Amino acid sequence: DTAVSQTPKYLVTQMGNDKSIKCEQNLGHDTMYWYKQDSKKFLKIMFSYNNKELIINETVPNRFSPKSPDKAHLNLHINSLELGDSAVYFCASSQGGTRSYNEQFFGPGTRLTVL
Amino acid sequence: QQQVKQSPQSLIVQKGGISIINCAYENTAFDYFPWYQQFPGKGPALLIAIRPDVSEKKEGRFTISFNKSAKQFSLHIMDSQPGDSATYFCAALNYNQGGKLIFGQGTELSVKP
Repeated sequence: DTAVSQTPKYLVTQMGNDKSIKCEQNLGHDTMYWYKQDSKKFLKIMFSYNNKELIINETVPNRFSPKSPDKAHLNLHINSLELGDSAVYFCASSQGGTRSYNEQFFGPGTRLTVL
Repeated sequence: QQQVKQSPQSLIVQKGGISIINCAYENTAFDYFPWYQQFPGKGPALLIAIRPDVSEKKEGRFTISFNKSAKQFSLHIMDSQPGDSATYFCAALNYNQGGKLIFGQGTELSVKP
């Protein structure tokens, strides 16, 4: 069983398009995250949700909008895609609330390429 | 602002050797320091982690050394194996900041047979 899954695995699209990445976790965790890994492999947190409530919102352009329909799902919608959005996007989840040292489990990533 | 600095960027070690990766942090509010391992095409996975109240933690061939006064910590991989070839990330977290992991730049480790 896949603990944290993401779809699609690869996403190739044109500049200006709108796209979504879906994430689901079956670990029963309360907190979910989105990270961006750039071409130099640098990982940076974008958002986190705890029980459908937005907790972390880093300095991410407004074109990025996370949506959490329930605590097992956290989707990422990106409007008006730009070349600089090309990256690998990772979803992660962890047990516990907004204050914890709990391990974050990462999904397999979605490689987004904007042409 | 890069709050966690990691070095070296890449490392080549012979099988059986010791791999050492170093990290330094700036924010003294960080109170949890995990290391993540990432294989190509996969997501990062937790390898080992330490709290600043201890100076060393060992799990199998992997050891974290922590120097609170110097604001530095390092990962030692003993008896390095080709299967250890991966990218390693140090990270830091503040308990009160909702799981906000701050990652180092990553080290690409290659263990030669």
